[in-house]
Order: sequence, then structure tokens, then C-alpha cells
Amino acid sequence: EPEVTQTPSHQVTQMGQEVILRCVPISNHLYFYWYRQILGQKVEFLVSFYNNEISEKSEIFDDQFSVERPDGSNFTLKIRSTKLEDSAMYFCASRTGMSTGELFFGEGSRLTVL
Amino acid sequence: AQKVTQAQTEISVVEKEDVTLDCVYETRDTTYYLFWYKQPPSGELVFLIRRNSFDEQNEISGRYSWNFQKSTSSFNFTITASQVVDSAVYFCALSGGNTGNQFYFGTGTSLTVIP
Repeated sequence: EPEVTQTPSHQVTQMGQEVILRCVPISNHLYFYWYRQILGQKVEFLVSFYNNEISEKSEIFDDQFSVERPDGSNFTLKIRSTKLEDSAMYFCASRTGMSTGELFFGEGSRLTVL
Repeated sequence: AQKVTQAQTEISVVEKEDVTLDCVYETRDTTYYLFWYKQPPSGELVFLIRRNSFDEQNEISGRYSWNFQKSTSSFNFTITASQVVDSAVYFCALSGGNTGNQFYFGTGTSLTVIP
């Protein structure tokens, strides 16, 4: 069964360092997303990406964040200068269509900022 | 505004009991989709069900059933004869047909099934 894969599963970094989280969405999906979940809290939308550009982003997704689909298969989330409050589980997701399909989530990348 | 409310933060039941998880949503879209996801202790998000706004027929899948009522903007989830493996956080989510492609998640309900 096709699945969304994410790497790394866990990353520990120092405050102020840059972090790149990687995702490989399901191959025939067209819409890609990043969500985050601070420990024990709700799943929060960060950004959606379609046709090689951001289609929607939340207030959380400030200038420190960026996304890229560099090679047609990977979908990356970069945090330029990490803060303590960036510590969370980051989920990548993809879906086939705009609003009809369910989101398929990866297993998440846990980011710990020290 | 799009919003999903799961008023139950935590629920504990004894194994084999039935349990209902509540979900109330708000949307201005005429076409929208509702979802339930399960997040077991291992952390991944597992899709359970999708329902579109035009289909109010209730659905049953094994021990799981869903009750969608547009009149009350609710999409409740019932687990019959609960099992320890049902222990997880359950999220209700909304996706709008007219206002973009974002998923709006509720705050989740943590279900503990006690053996």
C-alpha cells in the first residue's frame, strides 16, 4: 500500500540551527501539506502546496519556515533558525484532490530544539 | 469560519463498553467533508472515515459507527464493545469544498480502554 514517508523520525538540534525535514508523498498525489503537533496538543496546519507553489499557509508559517519540492518526489520543510517552541511532531501529508480526498499522513518527524 | 469542536478531552471506559466520541463543526461551505483520524500511542495519524456533506447516511464498519447529522452539525463516532487496542487519541477534521484545501482538526479526544 502506498504511503507517505518522512525522514528523520527524530531530530535533536540546538536553538538557532537550521533544520530540514523531508517527506516523500504518495506518487500520484497532487496536494502536499505540513502539519505540526506540539506534544499533547492539537494537530495544527502549517502550509499546503500545489503545483509547485504554496496554496495556503497559517500564521504559524512565518518567514522562518519554507517549503520546497526540489525534485518531483521530495517535499521538504525548512526551519531557518529554530526556536525552543518549534519542538513538536511534524507531519507531512498528501492527498489526490482538493477537498474530496482524505489526507494520508506520514509517521511524523519529531523535532526537539534544545 | 471553519471550526471543529471535540468537547470531550479524555474518556475512560472499561473494555467491552460502548463509547461515543462527539464532534461538532462549523462551516459556511455548502460542500464539505468530515473525517475521523486515530492517533495511537505510537504517534501516527490513521485515517478512519470520510463523509461528504450530501451524504447523511450513517455508516458502520465493524465495531465502528458514525452518526452524521447536518441539523446539529455533528459527526459523532461510536465504538461498540471497546477493546484495549482502541486506546488512542481520536481527531475529527473538516475540509471545505469552497474555501480551499486546508484540513481543520479538532483538539482530539483521548480514549483509554481499561482491561
